[in-house]
Amino acid sequence: AQSVTQLDSQVPVFEEAPVELRCNYSSSVSVYLFWYVQYPNQGLQLLLKYLSGSTLVKGINGFEAEFNKSQTSFHLRKPSVHISDTAEYFCAVTLYNFNKFYFGSGTKLNVKP
Amino acid sequence: KAGVTQTPRYLIKTRGQQVTLSCSPISGHRSVSWYQQTPGQGLQFLFEYFSETQRNKGNFPGRFSGRQFSNSRSEMNVSTLELGDSALYLCASSSGQPGNQPQHFGDGTRLSIL
Repeated sequence: AQSVTQLDSQVPVFEEAPVELRCNYSSSVSVYLFWYVQYPNQGLQLLLKYLSGSTLVKGINGFEAEFNKSQTSFHLRKPSVHISDTAEYFCAVTLYNFNKFYFGSGTKLNVKP
Repeated sequence: KAGVTQTPRYLIKTRGQQVTLSCSPISGHRSVSWYQQTPGQGLQFLFEYFSETQRNKGNFPGRFSGRQFSNSRSEMNVSTLELGDSALYLCASSSGQPGNQPQHFGDGTRLSIL
């Protein structure tokens, strides 16, 4: 069975500081990996995805993530956060042959001035 | 290109009633998935429809059902509502091709049960 673990439920950080949101997954088969962001009272918006190729993936709003197969991780990073990055972030995986997504429990990023 | 549209945005019902939520996917998308989001349980997968057929199903009771029409629009129905059904219900659409197509989400329907 597949599962996604987001190790931190909340991450407080000051504006312009770097941030890393951690995501680990478990799967016995190859998966595709995604990060989504959810702002209050909105749906989820795709930040970035890893399908194959380069393990460093760049997404929107200056975010990037690195796929590490040996550690089964897909951590999200941003070198300098803004107040507007305050939101909840979800890591998700899907199997190659299915369209069913497994989501982590989410990490609330709180950027302080 | 218009995004995923969910209606209504907010809904208040009482226990025992039933409710129908609607989702219009992005044009050309044939797969529609439904999720329930609550503070305690996070995002839980309900079911996925592709070309009018349920292709995947989560672990929810039979009170939760859905369907998809020939134009790919989907509805989700919950019967005999319980207090625990209060949640944000999210719909997501994709092309439906194996695995590598991201899901695009609507803004959700917030259902409150009194």
